[in-house]
Amino acid sequence: DAMVIQNPRYQVTQFGKPVTLSCSQTLNHNVMYWYQQKSSQAPKLLFHYYDKDFNNEADTPDNFQSRRPNTSFCFLDIRSPGLGDAAMYLCATSIRQVTGTQYFGPGTRLTVL
Amino acid sequence: QQQVKQSPQSLIVQKGGISIINCAYENTAFDYFPWYQQFPGKGPALLIAIRPDVSEKKEGRFTISFNKSAKQFSLHIMDSQPGDSATYFCAASMYGNKLVFGAGTILRVKS
Repeated sequence: DAMVIQNPRYQVTQFGKPVTLSCSQTLNHNVMYWYQQKSSQAPKLLFHYYDKDFNNEADTPDNFQSRRPNTSFCFLDIRSPGLGDAAMYLCATSIRQVTGTQYFGPGTRLTVL
Repeated sequence: QQQVKQSPQSLIVQKGGISIINCAYENTAFDYFPWYQQFPGKGPALLIAIRPDVSEKKEGRFTISFNKSAKQFSLHIMDSQPGDSATYFCAASMYGNKLVFGAGTILRVKS
């Protein structure tokens, strides 16, 4: 089945220790998104890629970086995680300017000790 | 103007009852209005979506009602079941671009 896959599902890191989360998709969608979702809140868009064009949200901290080496894969790098970065990180994909429908992965739960 | 306001924040409904969640928006350029359902520890899943050229869309027990002049849309869950207990997010987008989410509604269906 075509889908959005996130690895790992659970990640524990130490304060200040870099961490990388990964997302892959078999939908062949040209847009990939990274969201941060904290408990009882809506997903907050961090950035998105339209093909290889990177679009950063104005309020996304510099601590968060992303890479998209090809259509199928996208990575979220947190350079120096703080306690406030503990959250669920969601990857989503869509076909831009077609329907607006975004398909979400299952998320990675990040814990910062 | 980019906000989508969602209410109520939480909702308790008896099994078999109707759950109603409301959303309002300001930006008339929005042209796509999806609802997402999210279970604890899972990613949001698209439930149903509507475009502003129709006033209602029904899929099984789920119905979106859309009022373009009032800039409001709502989700109705008929015959609510305990398995419907989840967080529901309304959202809006324009021209297939990024979604603007409502704050979410935590629905609990009591058996």
